[in-house]
Amino acid sequence: GEDVEQSLFLSVREGDSSVINCTYTDSSSTYLYWYKQEPGAGLQLLTYIFSNMDMKQDQRLTVLLNKKDKHLSLRIADTQTGDSAIYFCAEGRSNDYKLSFGAGTTVTVRA
Amino acid sequence: EAGVAQSPRYKIIEKRQSVAFWCNPISGHATLYWYQQILGQGPKLLIQFQNNGVVDDSQLPKDRFSAERLKGVDSTLKIQPAKLEDSAVYLCASSITGPNTQYFGPGTRLTVL
Repeated sequence: GEDVEQSLFLSVREGDSSVINCTYTDSSSTYLYWYKQEPGAGLQLLTYIFSNMDMKQDQRLTVLLNKKDKHLSLRIADTQTGDSAIYFCAEGRSNDYKLSFGAGTTVTVRA
Repeated sequence: EAGVAQSPRYKIIEKRQSVAFWCNPISGHATLYWYQQILGQGPKLLIQFQNNGVVDDSQLPKDRFSAERLKGVDSTLKIQPAKLEDSAVYLCASSITGPNTQYFGPGTRLTVL
């Protein structure tokens, strides 16, 4: 199974906030990433957080990190139809910096 | 700044045939990665290059997959012979150096019939 776990689906109404959750395994992970993948496209880096931070905000995106529980979340404020995509959480391991991805959360924005 | 380029974008082949994918990383990025993304899963690393040397190929099925990065810039990934289970999107990514953020190309979608 995946070392990084995410819920598979999220449906949200346009204008509401979306929260995507992720749990990871390596307590020594240095960086934690959120990538977005639209149909037929590669992975687009959305944001990342360094492991010594609790929170990072970037425009409509807020990342929260709970190191004790190894839990990462991505909040998208004022969700738009263009936010419909698959969102991947990834941990960057501290020993070799490889990325380990979750299976992705498919976010569907309904009008 | 140009992103990671990959070609072809789509490829359909029959099992036991050969196929090759090409990747051109972001200029100045020393580290290049090839990932396999099977439908419904996250990307899984196949091989990592630092300049023209292999850093990690532990997850590369070496009986049928090969990759090279001869001049430390472009890279090719080859499958010979292909199996049905090789149907996936093959993603190339690059970073300035190992521990830095990876940037992904659009991927090559391979269908093996």
